[in-house]
Amino acid sequence: DQQVKQNSPSLSVQEGRISILNCDYTNSMFDYFLWYKKYPAEGPTFLISISSIKDKNEDGRFTVFLNKSAKHLSLHIVPSQPGDSAVYFCAASYGNNRLAFGKGNQVVVIP
Amino acid sequence: DAEITQSPRHKITETGRQVTLACHQTWNHNNMFWYRQDLGHGLRLIHYSYGVQDTNKGEVSDGYSVSRSNTEDLPLTLESAASSQTSVYFCASSRDTYNEQFFGPGTRLTVL
Repeated sequence: DQQVKQNSPSLSVQEGRISILNCDYTNSMFDYFLWYKKYPAEGPTFLISISSIKDKNEDGRFTVFLNKSAKHLSLHIVPSQPGDSAVYFCAASYGNNRLAFGKGNQVVVIP
Repeated sequence: DAEITQSPRHKITETGRQVTLACHQTWNHNNMFWYRQDLGHGLRLIHYSYGVQDTNKGEVSDGYSVSRSNTEDLPLTLESAASSQTSVYFCASSRDTYNEQFFGPGTRLTVL
């Protein structure tokens, strides 16, 4: 049973606009959430994380929002750039550093 | 610079053969992980280790084994390769519990 779900497998967005990726989780014990970015033929690279004691974390163009009551988090990329075209994975853990990953979202940024 | 490497990057083998995939990290991280990535499944945890001589099963561990004899290496062994184990394999490491995992470049394994 998948504990981390990413719907809408693909997203196309114009350069300069906002990209919003959504992630839902089922395990209320999760207390640490991460987003990874993956280019073809490369390993995933860490983007941004958030602890369950926060509801927002920003790092440059990337912001992650966490809504614990809804078991939902989202990643906002503003402004989107062509180099952001990649697959984005949402991941969650509960104190043991074991990550449960979603299936990923393909983002295409159109110049 | 510290890094995490995997070898080989590509491997073709036959059903029934034993295969070992190497993972080496130079960050001196205690935690190491093996994942497989398949279309429609995202990344799934195979085995993990929190330190030397410690190994644990993940969600898809059947047919795989690992050993941790030092901090830097966590080799993944497929005891008797099966076509269902055709996949891309990623190794990762992290310093401790609430730190991000750093991933290697991956090994694409094909079992014929």
